[in-house]
Order: sequence, then structure tokens, then C-alpha cells
Amino acid sequence: GQQLNQSPQSMFIQEGEDVSMNCTSSSIFNTWLWYKQDPGEGPVLLIALYKAGELTSNGRLTAQFGITRKDSFLNISASIPSDVGIYFCAGPNTLGRSGGGADGLTFGKGTHLIIQP
Amino acid sequence: NAGVTQTPKFRVLKTGQSMTLLCAQDMNHEYMYWYRQDPGMGLRLIHYSVGEGTTAKGEVPDGYNVSRLKKQNFLLGLESAAPSQTSVYFCASTYGRGAGELFFGEGSRLTVL
Repeated sequence: GQQLNQSPQSMFIQEGEDVSMNCTSSSIFNTWLWYKQDPGEGPVLLIALYKAGELTSNGRLTAQFGITRKDSFLNISASIPSDVGIYFCAGPNTLGRSGGGADGLTFGKGTHLIIQP
Repeated sequence: NAGVTQTPKFRVLKTGQSMTLLCAQDMNHEYMYWYRQDPGMGLRLIHYSVGEGTTAKGEVPDGYNVSRLKKQNFLLGLESAAPSQTSVYFCASTYGRGAGELFFGEGSRLTVL
């Protein structure tokens, strides 16, 4: 089946540091999405990427759609305490039968971000 | 706006008991999904629905059943709960075609003893 490999699994950083994480896929994606999950909450979309090579920013967050279409990167600049959480990459579930993006998303296993004051 | 609401938020079951998780969305979304989240495993798709009256299997469907009798509701059932089904369950919905934003509920934590 589809596999998304996220790294690192966890990160312990100091407040103010920049953060980089990435995700690789066993198959080609036409969409990459990055979600964040706060403790006790459901995941929330941070950034969506729809074109190979695309670089998109959302405040201090920047994500890139890899040129091979099999990877994506998320960077967080000048981390703050509220950045703590689990970050997931996701791509379309291509194993379903409905097609057109209706078959949901496949998620990576997540990167746990822990910030030390 | 309520968005996606899951009930119950917490439940403890004994092995072999049955239960139903309810997901309700007030955004008139066409597609709805049930995921489970386990430590170190990320989110895995259980079942989903692309419209009222339709359901489809996801990555880990065994031991679960679903129904979508009304567009706004998606029910996840466990007929005979097993300890392996101890997990946090998330419902999500989205509006239409294209792999875009899923809106998630707050989760339902289920423990099977």
C-alpha cells in the first residue's frame, strides 16, 4: 500500500530555533498537505501544495512540493512555544475506487515537535 | 459554527461489547471519513463515504461497520470490541472533489478492556 515516511520522528529544540522536517512517498503525488495536531485536538491544515516545485508560505511556515513529486518539506522559522504539537504530511489516497480526491488522505506517522524554553 | 462533532468523547468497553460512534457535520460536506490514531502509527483510514447511502473500505476496515443514512451523519460501529481497537478515533469531512482540506472532529478516545 501507500507509505509516507516522515522524519524526524521527534525534535527537541530551543525556542527561537528554525525547524525542518520532511516526508517521502513510495508513489508519486499530485498534492501534498501538511497538518498540525495540538494535544487533545484533531489535525488542522497548515499548507496545501498542488504543483511540483511549488514553494508556499503561511506566516513562519514554508512548505515545498518536491520536484520528483515523491517528497515534501516543511520549515518553521523562529519557533515559539505554541508550535509544539505533531506535524503530519498527507497525500491523496490513491488506493480507493472513487477517484477525484474523494478517497481521503494517507498520512505519515508524524513528527513530534517539543520546544524547550 | 460547530463544524465536526463526535460523540462520545470518551468510552470504556469490555471485550465483546458493541458500541457506535457518531459523527455529525453542519457544513453540508459530501465526503466523510473515519480514522484511527495509535501511538507511532499516525492516522489510518478505517471507512469513508462519498455521499449519503454510500460507504467504502479504507486501510484498516476489519472489525468495524459504518452507515451514512443522512448526509450530515456518519456512524462507526464496533460489533464485538477487541483490545486491539483501543485507540483515538477521528471523524473528518470535506466538501467536494480534489484532495483538499479535511476538517476533523476533536476525537473519541475508546478503551477496550
